[in-house]
Amino acid sequence: ETGVTQSPTHLIKTRGQQVTLRCSSQSGHNTVSWYQQALGQGPQFIFQYYREEENGRGNFPPRFSGLQFPNYSSELNVNALELDDSALYLCASSFTMGQGNNEQFFGPGTRLTVL
Amino acid sequence: AQTVTQSQPEMSVQEAETVTLSCTYDTSESNYYLFWYKQPPSRQMILVIRQEAYKQQNATENRFSVNFQKAAKSFSLKISDSQLGDTAMYFCAFMKRGGADGLTFGKGTHLIIQP
Repeated sequence: ETGVTQSPTHLIKTRGQQVTLRCSSQSGHNTVSWYQQALGQGPQFIFQYYREEENGRGNFPPRFSGLQFPNYSSELNVNALELDDSALYLCASSFTMGQGNNEQFFGPGTRLTVL
Repeated sequence: AQTVTQSQPEMSVQEAETVTLSCTYDTSESNYYLFWYKQPPSRQMILVIRQEAYKQQNATENRFSVNFQKAAKSFSLKISDSQLGDTAMYFCAFMKRGGADGLTFGKGTHLIIQP
């Protein structure tokens, strides 16, 4: 069974640039959630994708957007990067069927630094 | 909206001792799940234990057990016979049934196991 993978591991961008982070879900999972974890804080929910559509969203501006592909992998795109976007970005996959338990399994994260 | 509070920023115990991490939450939901996640320095978020709110019996996983007090909205984690490998950040998390709103995390407790 393949776990959740994320790429790249680290990334350095400058303010105003755009970035794309990638996530491959665990085998058998059909749902991907993205989280932002600032230094010393707990992760914050950005959004969730199910059946290639945004299924839920946290309190993040529209410049945070995403995609989910037919193979259930996902991308997180951030436009017009700001210094405060510097964080660890975590992807988590789960299996959704009706209102069943959606236990989430996390990837190792992508560390984004905005200069 | 849900909130999760972890009031202990850091705890330190000797190897083999028992330690309890505190977590309280606030919600108007009746169907939900509670989790404890461990995040070692490697950054990978690992599920430690899960509790369904409709179950009165406290969850246990080997050395890890919870004290779930639904009326008090309290969800503490007890680690017995603590080991050096238990050193990590521990996050308490809440999820509504269905999971489309993602996980709501506390700020975490840094647990240090001393040899």
